[in-house]
Amino acid sequence: QVQLVQSERDVKEPGASVKVSCKASGYTFTNPVVMWVRQAPGQGLESVGWINTLDGRAEYSPKFQNRVTLTTDSFSATVYMELRSLGPDDTARYYCALQKTFRVGPARIGYSALDGWGQGTTVIVSS
Amino acid sequence: DILMTQSPSSLSASVGDTVTITCRTSHPISYYLNWYQHKPGRAPELLIYASSTLQNGVPSRFSGRGAGTLFTLTVNGLQIEDFATYFCQQSYDYPRTFGRGTKLEMK
Repeated sequence: QVQLVQSERDVKEPGASVKVSCKASGYTFTNPVVMWVRQAPGQGLESVGWINTLDGRAEYSPKFQNRVTLTTDSFSATVYMELRSLGPDDTARYYCALQKTFRVGPARIGYSALDGWGQGTTVIVSS
Repeated sequence: DILMTQSPSSLSASVGDTVTITCRTSHPISYYLNWYQHKPGRAPELLIYASSTLQNGVPSRFSGRGAGTLFTLTVNGLQIEDFATYFCQQSYDYPRTFGRGTKLEMK
């Protein structure tokens, strides 16, 4: 089972950028899609974006489209999330997670789910 | 985005009780609904995918039902280790969206 290990807590000033890493320990990514989600204090989870670690193609939730970049380093089996122009509302715990496809039923329909999460990285934005 | 409405936001119960959590979606999503368990300080864990299929290793006291826009997670015979936060997630469309979570507390 692949385990994801994220970088440590980070504190940033408003307007700065943060780069969070997510490393697959033990193996390379066996499932190509890694998602990033975050949870702000008292809030639910929200998608930041997702990246295909095989070809590096990333897509982003519209809310973050203009200020987030996801990248992957296949040699080190690490994906990165960089979030720019930070504001206090970006204070949150950020998670990476493997999106796996499960084949269900006689028709083997594919259903995806997040199976394998990082431990989370707390990012605090404060002056 | 598909809006996920999860209820209740919190729930008090005792060991041995049966509890049910509901997740409604703003758009029909067939069976593309997952449930997760999240304990403080730990990574979330996948419990159920495709509305009703238990992930390997998940106890059979957990069950999921539903299709379209209404889904439920039921825990029959709560155990100590089940007190946690549960949230739903749709995998029908991008961006993936989540319920706000149900905190299951010991009465």
